Amino acid sequence: DTGVSQDPRHKITKRGQNVTFRCDPISEHNRLYWYRQTLGQGPEFLTYFQNEAQLEKSRLLSDRFSAERPKGSFSTLEIQRTEQGDSAMYLCASSLDDTRNEKLFFGSGTQLSVL
Amino acid sequence: KNEVEQSPQNLTAQEGEFITINCSYSVGISALHWLQQHPGGGIVSLFMLSSGKKKHGRLIATINIQEKHSSLHITASHPRDSAVYICAAGGSNYKLTFGKGTLLTVNP
Repeated sequence: DTGVSQDPRHKITKRGQNVTFRCDPISEHNRLYWYRQTLGQGPEFLTYFQNEAQLEKSRLLSDRFSAERPKGSFSTLEIQRTEQGDSAMYLCASSLDDTRNEKLFFGSGTQLSVL
Repeated sequence: KNEVEQSPQNLTAQEGEFITINCSYSVGISALHWLQQHPGGGIVSLFMLSSGKKKHGRLIATINIQEKHSSLHITASHPRDSAVYICAAGGSNYKLTFGKGTLLTVNP
């Protein structure tokens, strides 16, 4: 257990439905990241928060995707009008705000299947 | 061409063998990460390094900044080491570029 928890572990949905994932980082970590990983590939960066501020968004994050981190604690990632191409593992990670680039701590991920 | 290339893609070893996984990168970096991912499981950070060498138990990671190359070594490999090992390089954590991973299988 890395201390980062994600919920749910698995989500099966029909195309066109909205889904929301939650990530609870390690409590003292003020940096939080979302990544997406498809089968046989390494993770790809989606977005990054420093406390409650969303500082960076990948071009992979279309208008159907939105992420929040209210109060700088847990974060949610919502996908609206899901498409089959959204099927992937969605990973959350957290780290300390450290200019030496502190280690990342990953959650177990949410596996999304869009039917 | 991916900016982070790992080799080999797949590696099968017998228990006790010395294992090396290589990572070459073309991006400018301030840190390189080695990560371990078990099937169906989350990712565990093994090392973060910006120069030289780090050791943790049977794992050793080295980096050569001039050659833009890093290696992960496992001594006295064990079946529980079977996992996907991922190299990630970048200028800061959120700008990490990940390799596709090396699937390691250690047979008893």
